[in-house]
Amino acid sequence: DAGVTQSPTHLIKTRGQQVTLRCSPISGHKSVSWYQQVLGQGPQFIFQYYEKEERGRGNFPDRFSARQFPNYSSELNVNALLLGDSALYLCASSLERAGAYEQYFGPGTRLTVT
Amino acid sequence: GESVGLHLPTLSVQEGDNSIINCAYSNSASDYFIWYKQESGKGPQFIIDIRSNMDKRQGQRVTVLLNKTVKHLSLQIAATQPGDSAVYFCAEKDTGGFKTIFGAGTRLFVKA
Repeated sequence: DAGVTQSPTHLIKTRGQQVTLRCSPISGHKSVSWYQQVLGQGPQFIFQYYEKEERGRGNFPDRFSARQFPNYSSELNVNALLLGDSALYLCASSLERAGAYEQYFGPGTRLTVT
Repeated sequence: GESVGLHLPTLSVQEGDNSIINCAYSNSASDYFIWYKQESGKGPQFIIDIRSNMDKRQGQRVTVLLNKTVKHLSLQIAATQPGDSAVYFCAEKDTGGFKTIFGAGTRLFVKA
């Protein structure tokens, strides 16, 4: 079975630009979460979507937005990029049924803002 | 507030020895804890989890211990192998169940 997939793998953008990152969850998983991982730190929660609705949001500015599609894939959008947005962006999927919290992470998208 | 932290940023062990990675958490209401392994260039990989109604849980070569009195979590890896070299994160699921809060991580080096 295919795991969580993310695209692109690497991306270089300039300050002020906008970026869209994509994630496909494991087949059957209805929940997708997005994390930002700055070099040398643990992942920081950005969003969780379940059944196409936002269930939770971390402490990130409104420049960060996301959506989930009917096939449960998801996009993360970041507007007005700052140098500090340079990070590894991770997507994780899970079943999110009662008692089943295990998340499966994709390989991430490495975003560099210059 | 909620936070999950680790005592040591790096740990170096001899191949075949046992490894112990420690973690402290601050939210006494946290009820679910997870250990992840992250290898270079990859996303975090689930290792083992434990709920707050348990003190110990064992997996294949790994054991997680939870001490709720002092809000401490540990991961024990038996007979550490070179393939265990990675960064290990402890994490907690917040009480709302929507997000996983990660600590900063411990880098494990296994010496041959």
